[in-house]
Amino acid sequence: AQKVTQAQTEISVVEKEDVTLDCVYETRDTTYYLFWYKQPPSGELVFLIRRNSFDEQNEISGRYSWNFQKSTSSFNFTITASQVVDSAVYFCALSEYSSASKIIFGSGTRLSIRP
Amino acid sequence: SAVISQKPSRDICQRGTSLTIQCQVDSQVTMMFWYRQQPGQSLTLIATANQGSEATYESGFVIDKFPISRPNLTFSTLTVSNMSPEDSSIYLCSVSSGYTDTQYFGPGTRLTVL
Repeated sequence: AQKVTQAQTEISVVEKEDVTLDCVYETRDTTYYLFWYKQPPSGELVFLIRRNSFDEQNEISGRYSWNFQKSTSSFNFTITASQVVDSAVYFCALSEYSSASKIIFGSGTRLSIRP
Repeated sequence: SAVISQKPSRDICQRGTSLTIQCQVDSQVTMMFWYRQQPGQSLTLIATANQGSEATYESGFVIDKFPISRPNLTFSTLTVSNMSPEDSSIYLCSVSSGYTDTQYFGPGTRLTVL
């Protein structure tokens, strides 16, 4: 069965610090998709990134970077030089090709950036 | 990505009543979904809204409680029936262009049941 674990419930850092959000997943499928979504206090869910299981390349987008390691079933998210606007709940999610329309979300990590 | 709107954005309702939530997309999409997010919790899929046919419900969710309509490729509704305080949640719709494509979410409807 598919499962996503975000062990960090809450993280609080001071602005400009780097912070890494951990995500560990479980799946039996060889083809699957991993996602990160951001949910600011307003409540909407903002798509950040999608990774296919065949693409282990790390990705950088501005201050955001993602590290995908199949060997450890992890898909970690790092924010460099954090800003107050990064404060939100971040969800890691997984869908399997065999049931690709169904996304399983992790429990989320609440990130607070203090000025 | 598509622009998704939901109405209402929030509502406060009395127990025993029903509320219909609308989800509108600015372009045709293949798939539409409804999720529930209870306070402080993660998202749980309620059902897949199928155009022209009955929705496909996940375990723990039934049509009598959460009837869903999808009359065309840009619009869907979710009704929360006979509400109780336990139904207080954020309800989000999402859309994707295909079976394995990324889901994009609407702004959500924040429901409080008294």
